[in-house]
Amino acid sequence: GNSVTQMEGPVTLSEEAFLTINCTYTATGYPSLFWYVQYPGEGLQLLLKATKADDKGSNKGFEATYRKETTSFHLEKGSVQVSDSAVYFCALTQSYNTDKLIFGTGTRLQVFP
Amino acid sequence: DTEVTQTPKHLVMGMTNKKSLKCEQHMGHRAMYWYKQKAKKPPELMFVYSYEKLSINESVPSRFSPECPNSSLLNLHLHALQPEDSALYLCASSRPDRDTIYFGEGSWLTVV
Repeated sequence: GNSVTQMEGPVTLSEEAFLTINCTYTATGYPSLFWYVQYPGEGLQLLLKATKADDKGSNKGFEATYRKETTSFHLEKGSVQVSDSAVYFCALTQSYNTDKLIFGTGTRLQVFP
Repeated sequence: DTEVTQTPKHLVMGMTNKKSLKCEQHMGHRAMYWYKQKAKKPPELMFVYSYEKLSINESVPSRFSPECPNSSLLNLHLHALQPEDSALYLCASSRPDRDTIYFGEGSWLTVV
């Protein structure tokens, strides 16, 4: 079936460090891929998305590239801030059922000054 | 503008109470969703409304009753809940092309 696998957290970094959160997926057809962020005590915010192979989504210094050959959508940021501390969810929607988001388990990022 | 507004932000209810969660969006989105999120877990889909009609019910117990009065509003009626139903309830919406699903801030529900 369709699924999303994220790296286990928490990821602990110092401010200004480079961030990578790995995400791989299993899906039939041509899924759309998303990263959502959830700050403590809040709902989910869309961070970025990509809808076809080789697309790069970017927002607020975060980037992720849709790699069909490796079925991956890794999230990266060159220099993290304390305010980036949150839980990050990788997700996909299937091309034939775009109503259902399939989430990974989430990765908690903790950034220390 | 991608705002989905949920009320109340916090709700405490007893197991015999009847309460409702409300969700509103004015972006012209024609699909609206309820998700449930337990602590340290990803959100789980409960219901989908498409053009004000229920299109997906993910085998949710009948003590949760969704309602879509019009294209901008979505309610979740709660009755005879159990303590294990305590969670963050997230409303979401998307455009007709279903390109992206946008979430609200959520309603924190505690059942005592």
